[in-house]
Amino acid sequence: GQNIDQPTEMTATEGAIVQINCTYQTSGFNGLFWYQQHAGEAPTFLSYNVLDGLEEKGRFSSFLSRSKGYSYLLLKELQMKDSASYLCAVRDSNYQLIWGAGTKLIIKP
Amino acid sequence: SQTIHQWPATLVQPVGSPLSLECTVEGTSNPNLYWYRQAAGRGLQLLFYSVGIGQISSEVPQNLSASRPQDRQFILSSKKLLLSDSGFYLCAWSGTVGQSTGELFFGEGSRLTVL
Repeated sequence: GQNIDQPTEMTATEGAIVQINCTYQTSGFNGLFWYQQHAGEAPTFLSYNVLDGLEEKGRFSSFLSRSKGYSYLLLKELQMKDSASYLCAVRDSNYQLIWGAGTKLIIKP
Repeated sequence: SQTIHQWPATLVQPVGSPLSLECTVEGTSNPNLYWYRQAAGRGLQLLFYSVGIGQISSEVPQNLSASRPQDRQFILSSKKLLLSDSGFYLCAWSGTVGQSTGELFFGEGSRLTVL
């Protein structure tokens, strides 16, 4: 079966750095996405990785290792507004998205 | 720029009543359209997707149906709601893979409570 694993919840301190991991087992691979979802709202697109390595976009970076079936989202200089759920999704060989259950990130002052 | 809207934002319906959620996209043509459901603490569950007018693929057999009467309009319906239909429903669109990375853009969401 196809599976995406990410931690259910993480806590971090304002101004710090946090890394949210995602491991996947899918039928093929055609890209990995990270989305941010604030409580009660729709997900918004953060990043896309299809090749191994690090993609940096401001305070957010996303890393991919296809051989390990592993990605992480790195958030720097955490702000209270970063409190949200972070969803990992993998596009499989049929170009269908397989979604993780999301990681709820709690930022404390 | 492209925008997506869905409505209503919130609705409370009795068991056995019908449902209609509507979604429209502006600023793009021939988008891929999707209906997802998100239960509390769960991942997104794909319900239907469409690559063109009148073309609907169902991922989960259930009492829900979808229609795409126009290129940028996607409708989710039910004739008789069940308690298990409660959840957060999300409409989304994407461009064609190859023309973009294929990321999804979501509507605001519709929270359905069936009593």
